[in-house]
Amino acid sequence: AQSVTQPDIHITVSEGASLELRCNYSYGATPYLFWYVQSPGQGLQLLLKYFSGDTLVQGIKGFEAEFKRSQSSFNLRKPSVHWSDAAEYFCAVGRGYNKLIFGAGTRLAVHP
Amino acid sequence: EAGVAQSPRYKIIEKRQSVAFWCNPISGHATLYWYQQILGQGPKLLIQFQNNGVVDDSQLPKDRFSAERLKGVDSTLKIQPAKLEDSAVYLCASSLVGEETQYFGPGTRLLVL
Repeated sequence: AQSVTQPDIHITVSEGASLELRCNYSYGATPYLFWYVQSPGQGLQLLLKYFSGDTLVQGIKGFEAEFKRSQSSFNLRKPSVHWSDAAEYFCAVGRGYNKLIFGAGTRLAVHP
Repeated sequence: EAGVAQSPRYKIIEKRQSVAFWCNPISGHATLYWYQQILGQGPKLLIQFQNNGVVDDSQLPKDRFSAERLKGVDSTLKIQPAKLEDSAVYLCASSLVGEETQYFGPGTRLLVL
């Protein structure tokens, strides 16, 4: 069955520190992969996506993610976190008929 | 370009009452989705439309939930009667046909007492 696992429910980092959010997926074929961010009371905003080609993809707000087929992972990274990055982050996988399957999310807190 | 619009933003009802949510997708987006996001979980697809036809409603609790998109543009999701476990955020998203990227609205937060 198709699934997405985000192992970390909650992460706290200091402002200026680097960040990595983990995402593992189970999918029968090469998936399309997405990271979305959700600020409190808001909808989901697309950070970046991977469809094919270069396995390191750049997104908005200084985020990047790397697709590793051998590890079935698509981890999100940022070299220096800002206080405004505090939010919930969702990894999603999908292909075919546009159906997306989301992970449970990782809530990021940023200490000043 | 205007984003996906949803209303109301918040709704509080008592169990067994009915409620309806409205969504207007991005102009030109033929595909429309309704998701349910329960607290602490990721969004779960309830129903997907392409134009005014249903593509996937396999996870829609059809005994109490219904959705329509009569003119292939805006859509309404209804719950009747509501249960306590329906408390969640209901997200609407849209995309171009054949485009994998979905664009989300701000959601409607429902609390059933």
